[in-house]
Amino acid sequence: NAGVTQTPKFQVLKTGQSMTLQCAQDMNHEYMSWYRQDPGMGLRLIHYSVGAGITDQGEVPNGYNVSRSTTEDFPLRLLSAAPSQTSVYFCASRTTIGTSSSYEQYFGPGTRLTVT
Amino acid sequence: QQQVKQSPQSLIVQKGGISIINCAYENTAFDYFPWYQQFPGKGPALLIAIRPDVSEKKEGRFTISFNKSAKQFSLHIMDSQPGDSATYFCAASMEDGTSYGKLTFGQGTILTVHP
Repeated sequence: NAGVTQTPKFQVLKTGQSMTLQCAQDMNHEYMSWYRQDPGMGLRLIHYSVGAGITDQGEVPNGYNVSRSTTEDFPLRLLSAAPSQTSVYFCASRTTIGTSSSYEQYFGPGTRLTVT
Repeated sequence: QQQVKQSPQSLIVQKGGISIINCAYENTAFDYFPWYQQFPGKGPALLIAIRPDVSEKKEGRFTISFNKSAKQFSLHIMDSQPGDSATYFCAASMEDGTSYGKLTFGQGTILTVHP
């Protein structure tokens, strides 16, 4: 099991460019989500999905787009990058069934994005 | 709006000492309170979690204390070791049928354990 994988690990973009951050999981988890981590602010939820074809907004969705065509993949698209989107991005997944012992979210290793 | 407030921002402890990190939440609908540990360059990993039907949960050297009336919970690390040096995040979520999985995180605490 690779768990949750993310690519790329690092990326530098110019303002206005677009890109897609990739996320994949091999645990057959229905629930997937994207967070951004900024100093002093913890992690904040961007978008999440409870299954293929179903996505919804989190706390900070502006400037980001997602889709979920398969259970395994949940890409995050930056439509027109801005310096305010400089951050570390984490993808996470979890199951949606069971008791509280199954509430654990598994995080990927992160993508460090710099927008100049 | 920060619904989960964490303190302190940073903490320095000697090896063998007790590390204590505190969190306070506002939303009384939260019913799942995990703590995550993050090492530099890695993603957060679940350390220990508690539901509000118990006041304390212990796993090895790590204990969560939960005070529902005060809307506070804390992480205690006994016999702290240099390998515990990491960033710790508290979090909260509502695990009902429609809102599950949406974690609200605290700001994080950078723990340094000196040998």
